[in-house]
Amino acid sequence: GEDVEQSLFLSVREGDSSVINCTYTDSSSTYLYWYKQEPGAGLQLLTYIFSNMDMKQDQRLTVLLNKKDKHLSLRIADTQTGDSAIYFCADHGSSNTGKLIFGQGTTLQVKP
Amino acid sequence: GAGVSQSPSNKVTEKGKDVELRCDPISGHTALYWYRQRLGQGLEFLIYFQGNSAPDKSGLPSDRFSAERTGESVSTLTIQRTQQEDSAVYLCASSQSGQGRNEQFFGPGTRLTVL
Repeated sequence: GEDVEQSLFLSVREGDSSVINCTYTDSSSTYLYWYKQEPGAGLQLLTYIFSNMDMKQDQRLTVLLNKKDKHLSLRIADTQTGDSAIYFCADHGSSNTGKLIFGQGTTLQVKP
Repeated sequence: GAGVSQSPSNKVTEKGKDVELRCDPISGHTALYWYRQRLGQGLEFLIYFQGNSAPDKSGLPSDRFSAERTGESVSTLTIQRTQQEDSAVYLCASSQSGQGRNEQFFGPGTRLTVL
């Protein structure tokens, strides 16, 4: 079945760039999403990319998509302590119901 | 307007009891989803509603789990005869249509603990 994998933990220094990686298995994926989860809070949609795009930039966030390798990444420029959270990659896949397949989440720790 | 709300925020129950979890989606959103998040893990899809019908129930883990939705409004997820492995955060999300770029807005979740 469809699967999404992420590394579990990333630690960076404040001001550095963070790169969070994700791989997925469904070759017919249409949209891929990045969500952010802060302690005690619900999931917040950060950004998304459509499968016919290679890159999308939104302020400090850059999403890169390599469809051939089924690899997605999220780069956060000038990482701040407020960026500390769990980041989830999610795949819309080929489902016509819109259900999302989530990775396990990457915990980003930003050290001052 | 208001976002997705869920109640209760926390529920502690004894093994074998039934529980009901409630979700109020964003007004006008026709699609509603339930997900489960076990400790330290990603979200697992449970069920999808379009209006008050459920075309995809493929994620419900057993027949102890059921859900219903009233029109394009409130949904309840019921877990009968709860087991310790049901302990998790149950998240509800809604979206405008369930199709295309289907941005899902999530509620804060209900943390269920089965003793």
